[in-house]
Amino acid sequence: GAVVSQHPSRVICKSGTSVKIECRSLDFQATTMFWYRQFPKQSLMLMATSNEGSKATYEQGVEKDKFLINHASLTLSTLTVTSAHPEDSSFYICSARDLAAYEQYFGPGTRLTVT
Amino acid sequence: GQNIDQPTEMTATEGAIVQINCTYQTSGFNGLFWYQQHAGEAPTFLSYNVLDGLEEKGRFSSFLSRSKGYSYLLLKELQMKDSASYLCAVRDGDYKLSFGAGTTVTVRA
Repeated sequence: GAVVSQHPSRVICKSGTSVKIECRSLDFQATTMFWYRQFPKQSLMLMATSNEGSKATYEQGVEKDKFLINHASLTLSTLTVTSAHPEDSSFYICSARDLAAYEQYFGPGTRLTVT
Repeated sequence: GQNIDQPTEMTATEGAIVQINCTYQTSGFNGLFWYQQHAGEAPTFLSYNVLDGLEEKGRFSSFLSRSKGYSYLLLKELQMKDSASYLCAVRDGDYKLSFGAGTTVTVRA
């Protein structure tokens, strides 16, 4: 099946710094990628939809200036958490939609800890 | 928006069958997915239903009734490794997935 990678898998950063998370579709082209956040023992919450070559669409309550999304190519989307705070500590997961199939494929996730 | 309900927890014995129900109310429907998620890992795809009826894949089956806004995931011949969280997710016309809170299944020997 299709593979989606994320990098890094874990990151610890200090409060006030910025962190970039990469999401890549390895064997298919993804015009649309999705970014989710998951807090402990909670379900996945969609943060934004990333479309190649255009601006991301953010869900209600998600600050677009804090969570910068760039989808510069058909295989790469990045999420940058700017001026991170401890409450941004979470599990961030991306998924990519394969136009040739009905599935969304999830990346392995990135565990962000802000100290 | 989407409103997706599923039980919080279920416990079953190794070798048994467990059925996880999911009800949903949606503003648009373009398929229902079931995912398995182990702690600290990303979800893995289990099944997809877009038409009414039963889809069978090995030990796992999923059923959908669009008129009732209802789905279930059936896990047969339970194994210890099936202990995980099972997520019901509904996709809308924009291909966005909305997830239920997840059902934690514990398999006991």
